[in-house]
Amino acid sequence: AQKVTQAQTEISVVEKEDVTLDCVYETRDTTYYLFWYKQPPSGELVFLIRRNSFDEQNEISGRYSWNFQKSTSSFNFTITASQVVDSAVYFCALSANDYKLSFGAGTTVTVRA
Amino acid sequence: GAVVSQHPSWVICKSGTSVKIECRSLDFQATTMFWYRQFPKQSLMLMATSNEGSKATYEQGVEKDKFLINHASLTLSTLTVTSAHPEDSSFYICSASLTVGQGTDTQYFGPGTRLTVL
Repeated sequence: AQKVTQAQTEISVVEKEDVTLDCVYETRDTTYYLFWYKQPPSGELVFLIRRNSFDEQNEISGRYSWNFQKSTSSFNFTITASQVVDSAVYFCALSANDYKLSFGAGTTVTVRA
Repeated sequence: GAVVSQHPSWVICKSGTSVKIECRSLDFQATTMFWYRQFPKQSLMLMATSNEGSKATYEQGVEKDKFLINHASLTLSTLTVTSAHPEDSSFYICSASLTVGQGTDTQYFGPGTRLTVL
């Protein structure tokens, strides 16, 4: 069985601060996929990134960056120079051979102007 | 690309009535669609997996006779909440898989449907 833990329930920062969201996962599968989704107040989940278990390269996309470390089973997400529009709930998720997504509990990020 | 729509976006109904929610993949064919339920300030809970042309696979604890799922085409899946009761009030979200050719698929989510049963 897969398990995703997002220990941070809520994070509040002031605009332009960096914020890092932690994600720790558990799985017995050697091939698996990790995802991050953003859920703004409107409710729609927005796909941010997908990473497979064989690719540990870190990735940067604009102000977003992801750090994948298999040794610690972590897939952390950093927002650099946060903006008010970044305020949302962020979910880390994992899928393996059964293609089902196991979601973490989510981290609510509030960016204050 | 990879746009998923849901209709309606919100619905209010009386207890005992049935409600149908549609999920459409607008610019791709989705072999598999998923239905989730989300309670306020909680994570998403997978209800069922829907494959085109076959019966849906329900997660443990989800009543298949209450939550009827039909996946009639590669772009449309429907969820019908039958004989709805106030405890069925929730945010229902669908997702569709975009085949990328290797490994597991990325799920793209619809905007969700907020159901309120009076």
